[in-house]
Amino acid sequence: KAGVTQTPRYLIKTRGQQVTLSCSPISGHRSVSWYQQTPGQGLQFLFEYFSETQRNKGNFPGRFSGRQFSNSRSEMNVSTLELGDSALYLCASSLEQRSYNEQFFGPGTRLTVL
Amino acid sequence: KQEVTQIPAALSVPEGENLVLNCSFTDSAIYNLQWFRQDPGKGLTSLLLIQSSQREQTSGRLNASLDKSSGRSTLYIAASQPGDSATYLCAVLNNNNDMRFGAGTRLTVKP
Repeated sequence: KAGVTQTPRYLIKTRGQQVTLSCSPISGHRSVSWYQQTPGQGLQFLFEYFSETQRNKGNFPGRFSGRQFSNSRSEMNVSTLELGDSALYLCASSLEQRSYNEQFFGPGTRLTVL
Repeated sequence: KQEVTQIPAALSVPEGENLVLNCSFTDSAIYNLQWFRQDPGKGLTSLLLIQSSQREQTSGRLNASLDKSSGRSTLYIAASQPGDSATYLCAVLNNNNDMRFGAGTRLTVKP
């Protein structure tokens, strides 16, 4: 069974631009969660989607948004990029909501904002 | 607000040694605790998931314990190998569905 895939793997943008990241969960998994990892703040939870609905949200500004499609694939969008948005963005999938199930992570998208 | 602490921040051991990594958390109202490993520049690999009602989980040379009342979890690695070198992270999923990660323990196993 294929693992969680994320595209693109690397991305370079400039301040003020917007970016969309994509995550395809493991087949049959219905929950997708997004995380940001930086050297200074470590791993922080962004949001979780389940059955096309945002179920939980971390403490990030409204510039960070996401959505989930009927096939469980998810996209994350960051608008008006700032230098501090440079990070490794990880998505994770689980069978059902992550309260009950083990999460499996993708390789991440490394975003650099210049 | 839940805080997750991992001690030590870094650990270096010779191959074959048994070792224990520690994770502590401040709020015992949790759904589960999960241990991950992360190789440099890569995503996270799930090692063990312990539900709040469980005391421990085992997988191969790994054993994780959970003491919710004292806010502690340990990851025991038996007969360590150079391939175990990585950063180990614990993550706590709170009852309010907020997930908090520790800063990790960077493990080096020397041949």
